[in-house]
Formats: sequence, C-alpha cells, structure tokens
Amino acid sequence: DIQMTQSPSTLSASVGDRVTITCRASQDIITWLAWYQQKPGKAPKLLIYEASSLEGGVPSRFSGSGSGTEFTLTISSLQPDDFATYYCQQYNSYSLTFGGGTKVEIK
Amino acid sequence: QVQLVESGGGLVKPGGSLRLSCAASGFTFSNYYMSWIRQAPGKGLEWVSYISSTSSSMYYADSVKGRFTISRDNAKNSLYLQMNSLRAEDTAVYYCARHQGTQNFDYWGQGTLVTVSS
Repeated sequence: DIQMTQSPSTLSASVGDRVTITCRASQDIITWLAWYQQKPGKAPKLLIYEASSLEGGVPSRFSGSGSGTEFTLTISSLQPDDFATYYCQQYNSYSLTFGGGTKVEIK
Repeated sequence: QVQLVESGGGLVKPGGSLRLSCAASGFTFSNYYMSWIRQAPGKGLEWVSYISSTSSSMYYADSVKGRFTISRDNAKNSLYLQMNSLRAEDTAVYYCARHQGTQNFDYWGQGTLVTVSS
C-alpha cells in the first residue's frame, strides 16, 4: 500500500496567517491527491482534488500544489472557520489511503 | 441536493455481525462508484471498501478483506456493508461516500457508529 505522511500533525496559527501543510507519498502518485477538511463531529469535506483543483464552493484562499511524492495545501489567510483537521488522500492505486491528519489550532 | 444517510450501526459483541446501509438521494446513484470509510474514536480516516457503479468490481482494505462485503442495489439507491467476525479494532464511525469521478470523495454521509465490545 502507498503510505501518506502528513506534517505537521498539529499546527498553531492565528487568524490572517498563511498556513502550509505537507503530504508525502511513499511512491509516485502523479497528481492523484485530494485534500479534505473535517470539523469535530462532522463528515469530511472535499477541498482540493487532482492535487490543485479547487472543489466548487470552496474559498479561493485554499490552494493545492505538488506532483509525484510531495504535495502541499496552503491557506493564504487563515479564517476563524478554518480551524479544523485536514487530511490528504491518494487515489493512484486501488487501495486508497489517507494521511494521518493535521490539526490546525488557534494560537 | 445530494444526500447520503447511513444506518445500521450499534453495539455488537466480538465475533458478531452487522449490516450497514446507506440510502442515497439527489443524484443518479447507478452512475457513481461508492465507498465506505471509517474513523475510529479520536483517530484518522481509513478507507474500507469501494464498489463500482455496476457492482462489477469491489476492493477492500487489507484490514477487512475476507470479513466485510460491500454491495449495492441500484434499484433501491442503496449501498451496503456486511461486516462479519467483528473485532474491537473495527469500532469506528462508518461513513459512506460518493466517488467524484475518480477515486476521491465529493459527498459524505453523516456516519453511523459501530461499537464492538463484550
């Protein structure tokens, strides 16, 4: 199986900060990567697919980049609604895998 | 609007069985691949299984292979997960999710909690 490693596992930031989360794949996944946001007690929400495509209705402050084995999710100016846990997911193989998650906390 | 509603969760003893259901509405269910994804309490997301739109292909995580069976009934707009030989480590919220077009997920249900405990 392809392993997905996210860093950091926890991130403390303030409203207005630029935030970057990294996801590394154990092998080349081309651009078959998605990012999700999850708030406590809620289902995950799709933010980014194919590494850099913004899902409809998602604010433009979210962006994704990368290819191969290294990917990033950037929030250009953190808003109060963005404090949540973020997961990456690869879909290059039949066995789908998620990263361990990055919790974005209020500093 | 797209809705996915899971049901069938509950408390079951180790070694027991449970069948989860997911009722879909607001889209043409028969056109989409579907998945089950789970999340143990306080833990991250783990993909469990997916099924193609026509049920011609099914895939499973190694952790559930041979114990869980995914199925669907396109006439009833429903997705199922038959879970046998349940273990404590299967305790989780189980989500059904629609595949966007490739193997990522654009809509999720609210989840149903499965607790395996004696």
